[in-house]
Amino acid sequence: KNEVEQSPQNLTAQEGEFITINCSYSVGISALHWLQQHPGGGIVSLFMLSSGKKKHGRLIATINIQEKHSSLHITASHPRDSAVYICAVLGGGSNYKLTFGKGTLLTVNP
Amino acid sequence: DVKVTQSSRYLVKRTGEKVFLECVQDMDHENMFWYRQDPGLGLRLIYFSYDVKMKEKGDIPEGYSVSREKKERFSLILESASTNQTSMYLCASRHQSSYEQYFGPGTRLTVT
Repeated sequence: KNEVEQSPQNLTAQEGEFITINCSYSVGISALHWLQQHPGGGIVSLFMLSSGKKKHGRLIATINIQEKHSSLHITASHPRDSAVYICAVLGGGSNYKLTFGKGTLLTVNP
Repeated sequence: DVKVTQSSRYLVKRTGEKVFLECVQDMDHENMFWYRQDPGLGLRLIYFSYDVKMKEKGDIPEGYSVSREKKERFSLILESASTNQTSMYLCASRHQSSYEQYFGPGTRLTVT
């Protein structure tokens, strides 16, 4: 069983909709990464957070350490947001090793 | 901006060939990582290096070796490529005092 679970696996939205992707993990962590990967592309780091909330443009990431849960929100979604979003946690006794979720494929239709 | 580059975007090799994948970062990062990414399995750590000439096995090191002779360069070596090593290979780096990893563009390797 993967220690990092993402939901949903696939998400289709209409342009302009508010989107939420969830990530739950089972181990104690030092930090949590949200990553973005466009089709055929490399991986871009969106956020690294240990507590609370971070905002960058239309993207917002929150984390609840007690509940072992994080969410990535996209406001006013756009077709260029279509990508795979990956949650990864740093912890479980290691300061080096990231444990990755399987990713959420987001498709935003115009 | 941190830049992590990989030597090839696409590579096709034959079974049994020795394959070198190169990764270079320009931000003086101590830590470097090699991952492979497969559909349905996500990203898995092959090897990482926490400093020059230092390396540790990740989750799936079998069939791979690595070399870190200079701080900016981390090489992944497939001693004898096999078809089950067909995959997307991603390199990443980070400063040892930071949690955030920066990824390269990936190398899609096909072994025929």
